[in-house]
Amino acid sequence: ETGVTQTPRHLVMGMTNKKSLKCEQHLGHNAMYWYKQSAKKPLELMFVYSLEERVENNSVPSRFSPECPNSSHLFLHLHTLQPEDSALYLCASSQALQGDYGYTFGSGTRLTVV
Amino acid sequence: GENVEQHPSTLSVQEGDSAVIKCTYSDSASNYFPWYKQELGKRPQLIIDIRSNVGEKKDQRIAVTLNKTAKHFSLHITETQPEDSAVYFCAPKGVRGSARQLTFGSGTQLTVLP
Repeated sequence: ETGVTQTPRHLVMGMTNKKSLKCEQHLGHNAMYWYKQSAKKPLELMFVYSLEERVENNSVPSRFSPECPNSSHLFLHLHTLQPEDSALYLCASSQALQGDYGYTFGSGTRLTVV
Repeated sequence: GENVEQHPSTLSVQEGDSAVIKCTYSDSASNYFPWYKQELGKRPQLIIDIRSNVGEKKDQRIAVTLNKTAKHFSLHITETQPEDSAVYFCAPKGVRGSARQLTFGSGTQLTVLP
């Protein structure tokens, strides 16, 4: 394990379902991120949290709702998704938002919307 | 925001040969330049990074060179091995929105042929 754990690893959901993705980091990092990775596309930054405060929301549709209850946990709540939302959702953390720190990624949740 | 271009998009080399991947960026304020490796079905992992006050950094078979004037940096892999086969992403850190963040390139699929 890398220190960043994502659950579940795989998720299949219908368009009317509500589900949540979970990310947990044990590295003592202060910043956490949600990325979407689709085939043939660059990693797309969705949300940024620093010390539990949302810093950035990159024009993500409201059917994706993040939650950061503390600096170790990050959730992505999903509802009424579309088939084009099927992708690998990656969580990452870094020591701090500012400064030159690399990101540590989790293994991702492979989401399929049917 | 930061515009990032990565070339080539695919690269095949014979085992033992060298591989070079180039990344160009647009934000002259970028000052942190990492490279990530993502093997098939796995998470992206930081393999090497460089800061703007350094022109080159080497770690065993991999190296990164930076040309801040021309706004590009490159990943060099020498004596390639089959386990180097993966997708490689550059991710310069520039200003996006309200904070400095990594912007990922579109990736280079490297295949090392035995």
